[in-house]
Amino acid sequence: DTGVSQNPRHKITKRGQNVTFRCDPISEHNRLYWYRQTLGQGPEFLTYFQNEAQLEKSRLLSDRFSAERPKGSFSTLEIQRTEQGDSAMYLCASSGLTVNTEAFFGQGTRLTVV
Amino acid sequence: AQTVTQSQPEMSVQEAETVTLSCTYDTSESDYYLFWYKQPPSRQMILVIRQEAYKQQNATENRFSVNFQKAAKSFSLKISDSQLGDAAMYFCALPRGYGGSQGNLIFGKGTKLSVKP
Repeated sequence: DTGVSQNPRHKITKRGQNVTFRCDPISEHNRLYWYRQTLGQGPEFLTYFQNEAQLEKSRLLSDRFSAERPKGSFSTLEIQRTEQGDSAMYLCASSGLTVNTEAFFGQGTRLTVV
Repeated sequence: AQTVTQSQPEMSVQEAETVTLSCTYDTSESDYYLFWYKQPPSRQMILVIRQEAYKQQNATENRFSVNFQKAAKSFSLKISDSQLGDAAMYFCALPRGYGGSQGNLIFGKGTKLSVKP
């Protein structure tokens, strides 16, 4: 296992198009998190899953955003009708269930909406 | 509300010298963790060090150590013998909510550390 993997690494899309990102967590990790990071800012929490259940969603996750984690393995984050304000780095992280388990981050998907 | 504040947008240190990055936070929880993450350019974020709030002893990981002042809600990171590879963005982070998992985090805005040879 080489860690948390995110694809694609970069995505350029036209405003109004839909995009989908994929995250493959560390295989034994039950929890998976999505964050958004804009330039000069720290990551902002979007949502997280425990196995296949989506347990929490941030107010940042508008109706145009949807995340899934079928079968509790990989996860996808879809943005519909992209806007220029969606341009950001989207980070995925995964962790185990115990309180003191560390979260591991992927390299992120950089989205540019033109 | 829980908050994390990093008041130093940028810091610079000479190679082999020591630098301290500041972080203050606010939480109503009595038991929690605090973290410092490092994000090198175009690379993934990695955990540098973590502190459990109920432990009075400051955490240390090789050249990295923290100064945790619970009453003051201060959590600074000291990097000793700075190396060129330490150049990165550094983020202070706090788990969200009671019993928040260590991946469900509130991050500060970060401090960009430059290391001069």
